[in-house]
Amino acid sequence: EVQLWESGGGLIQPGGSLRLSCAASGFTFSPYAMSWVRQAPGKGLEWVSSISGTGGSTYYADSVKGRFTISRDNSQNTLYLQVNSLRADDTAVYYCARGGVVVRRFDYWGQGTLVTVSS
Amino acid sequence: DIQMTQSPSSVSASVGDRVTITCRASQGISSWLAWYQQKPGKAPKLLIYGASTLQSGVPSRFSGSESGTDFTLTISSLQPEDFATYYCQQANSFPITFGQGTRLEIK
Repeated sequence: EVQLWESGGGLIQPGGSLRLSCAASGFTFSPYAMSWVRQAPGKGLEWVSSISGTGGSTYYADSVKGRFTISRDNSQNTLYLQVNSLRADDTAVYYCARGGVVVRRFDYWGQGTLVTVSS
Repeated sequence: DIQMTQSPSSVSASVGDRVTITCRASQGISSWLAWYQQKPGKAPKLLIYGASTLQSGVPSRFSGSESGTDFTLTISSLQPEDFATYYCQQANSFPITFGQGTRLEIK
């Protein structure tokens, strides 16, 4: 069974940083692109970033480019999102999802981790 | 960026009804369109990809179609578990974009 489990969210002050993690199990991690999608409270879905299976290609939404960095450790079956210079409008549930580079659909999702940016 | 516009933003329907949700792309995306269902407090679930291909395990009452840049999700006979919010997503190019969502409520 494919499982994705996010962690690392929390309450952070504006300008702060966090590293989100997504532990994957139930499938061979390395061939699959992975992505982060976020959802602000009461709002719709927003794609944030995607990374290829090797980690050699990365893609970002303009709203996070230069502040967020996606990475992966295929030896640990883990996806990461380093989020820096956080702003109030980054407050959201952050989901990791399988897919998003060549095949730009998301067939499995984690349960999400909440990031709240507030002073 | 490709804009995805869903309509309606909300719809009320009864169990057994046929419901149609539409998504329009601001430019051609071929058949690179996916549909998701999201229930409150839960992650989205992939229903359809390639505009009309049903994801494994999704009931056959769900179907998708396309006409140019217009895409349609149809639920042929609503079941109680179908009341949720539905999102379309273009998979043609980066940045990946979603529609704003359609909330399907019980009448």
